[in-house]
Amino acid sequence: DAGVIQSPRHEVTEMGQEVTLRCKPISGHNSLFWYRQTMMRGLELLIYFNNNVPIDDSGMPEDRFSAKMPNASFSTLKIQPSEPRDSAVYFCASSLTGTGRETQYFGPGTRLLVL
Amino acid sequence: GQQVMQIPQYQHVQEGEDFTTYCNSSTTLSNIQWYKQRPGGHPVFLIQLVKSGEVKKQKRLTFQFGEAKKNSSLHITATQTTDVGTYFCAGPETGRRALTFGSGTRLQVQP
Repeated sequence: DAGVIQSPRHEVTEMGQEVTLRCKPISGHNSLFWYRQTMMRGLELLIYFNNNVPIDDSGMPEDRFSAKMPNASFSTLKIQPSEPRDSAVYFCASSLTGTGRETQYFGPGTRLLVL
Repeated sequence: GQQVMQIPQYQHVQEGEDFTTYCNSSTTLSNIQWYKQRPGGHPVFLIQLVKSGEVKKQKRLTFQFGEAKKNSSLHITATQTTDVGTYFCAGPETGRRALTFGSGTRLQVQP
């Protein structure tokens, strides 16, 4: 199994530009999570999907952030327009929920730098 | 909302010394999970504890779940440089599939 795949691994962009992060969860998993990690705020949950449906987006910072999951094997997190304070590592994780285990498998992350 | 606190935030030990990190939740947890994140890496699942008072061991690592299911600890015996990283505990939020992660404890091991 390839694990959770994220792209790009690194992104450097200028303030105001649109940024799209991509994630392919582990095949067969029914939940997908987007996290942001910074030194100041630690690991924050932004949004999670269950069976491709957004369940809770209360962690999304503001309207500049949006996430979609058009099918079970693909999700995007979009920032438009980007700002320097969005610089962070963004992780996608997937799990097979409903089994009582709820273990999350993280992707390698996308390191975003907004200049 | 639910809060999960970890202490200490950072610990620097000499190789061979023991290390312990503590995790406390503001609410009772159905289970608790531990993850390790190496520098520059991503969190990797270590173990899940479910039962009150449960103790599990993985080689030099010992994990414990409190009787009240609100706290947990991770103890590493005779640390090695390969133990370097940040250790997170995480518990499921009531009524949600999501996990609340603790703030993490960063372990540095001096050879």
